[in-house]
Amino acid sequence: DAKTTQPTSMDCAEGRAANLPCNHSTISGNEYVYWYRQIHSQGPQYIIHGLKNNETNEMASLIITEDRKSSTLILPHATLRDTAVYYCIVRALYGNKLVFGAGTILRVKS
Amino acid sequence: NAGVTQTPKFQVLKTGQSMTLQCAQDMNHNSMYWYRQDPGMGLRLIYYSASEGTTDKGEVPNGYNVSRLNKREFSLRLESAAPSQTSVYFCASSELSGADTEAFFGQGTRLTVV
Repeated sequence: DAKTTQPTSMDCAEGRAANLPCNHSTISGNEYVYWYRQIHSQGPQYIIHGLKNNETNEMASLIITEDRKSSTLILPHATLRDTAVYYCIVRALYGNKLVFGAGTILRVKS
Repeated sequence: NAGVTQTPKFQVLKTGQSMTLQCAQDMNHNSMYWYRQDPGMGLRLIYYSASEGTTDKGEVPNGYNVSRLNKREFSLRLESAAPSQTSVYFCASSELSGADTEAFFGQGTRLTVV
């Protein structure tokens, strides 16, 4: 599975959009981009995933560049409860492993 | 629907003791995973089982063994616990393939080895 690079930490004002970038320049054609988050010391929670088209669900939007080498997770109206570590993972559709990197610490501030 | 259940939630061991961490999922998933998370660090994959009857090493398998008892259950064993194994252990499950392969995680087992 391709490696991902994320900023170590980011701050966001409450009520504003949080845009979390992820680089995955070695992604291959059959690999999806997944996002998870981990609030405090709970188990990680799935957010969204996509292959090449932009995706949106009730939690977030995922924007994938045309060349698929990077993506951005967007939380449209961040709240204090969105403070968490956000992990970007690249995984093959039929891949077995699920390997996490260091993630981005997002701090939402009032 | 319980999802992924881990037992115990907390455990203190003495160096050299053995124990088994239990994990069960009720989503009929094929794949299951064990991770450890040290303070301030990300999750590291210990072992995974792509499907019933198979297990494979992850990033940090040394000092651990696993058993995929059946499709529902995947246990992690520490044969001789060491202080370096003090960590939070997470179990997860997912489908093996297809578009809906998001993983579901348990709430963790907090292990301290003294």
